[in-house]
Amino acid sequence: SYVLTQPPSVSVAPGQTAGIPCGGNNIGRTSVHWYQQKPGQAPVLVVYDDSDRPSGIPERFSGSNSDNTATLTISRVEAGDEADYYCQVWDRSSDHHVVFGGGTKLTVL
Amino acid sequence: QVQLQESGPGLVKPSETLSLICTVSGGSVRSDGYYWSWIRQPPGKGLEWIGHIHYSGITKYNPSLKSRVTMSVDTSPNQFSLKLSSVISVDTAVYYCARLQMTGYGFYYFAYWGQGTLVTVPS
Repeated sequence: SYVLTQPPSVSVAPGQTAGIPCGGNNIGRTSVHWYQQKPGQAPVLVVYDDSDRPSGIPERFSGSNSDNTATLTISRVEAGDEADYYCQVWDRSSDHHVVFGGGTKLTVL
Repeated sequence: QVQLQESGPGLVKPSETLSLICTVSGGSVRSDGYYWSWIRQPPGKGLEWIGHIHYSGITKYNPSLKSRVTMSVDTSPNQFSLKLSSVISVDTAVYYCARLQMTGYGFYYFAYWGQGTLVTVPS
């Protein structure tokens, strides 16, 4: 089955830019979606189809996807961005199963 | 605005069957183009996809749970359900229901989530 790899943690100072990677074999050939989860809350979609934002999500959130790595980028990081972030793909090769990455804890220093 | 709400027992004894219902409002479970899903999250751990169902009855389950999982859709009260049999302590988790919807490229993502419900299986 398809595997998505995320680093357990990323740290960034307020106002700086954070990049959260999501690795997978030829991930650039599929669409990657990203979720933000704050403690005690359900996940919230922040980016879909690699780089599109749902309504209500700040422009500070963006994404890219190429070759074997997709990246969620958060510009001008704020304290309120501190959360767990998960990447997700729809794996057509395994009969339409959903795959999540292990998640990355973003710490705002 | 689509809303989902999980309901069911918060405590299930080992070897018994976990049963949860997700009630959908602001949209119909009979809408085409959507799959209705269950995801779980053990305390302090990541998200695990359990499976999803289309209102036509088509189901896809996580291979690691497939032998114990049954999902169904009930269109009259606009609900769908999850049954997980022979539970053990490692099945303790927050269980979320969510709606999978397709992007313009034919891939699916979770646009709407329930708030989640904690189910505990004592050891």
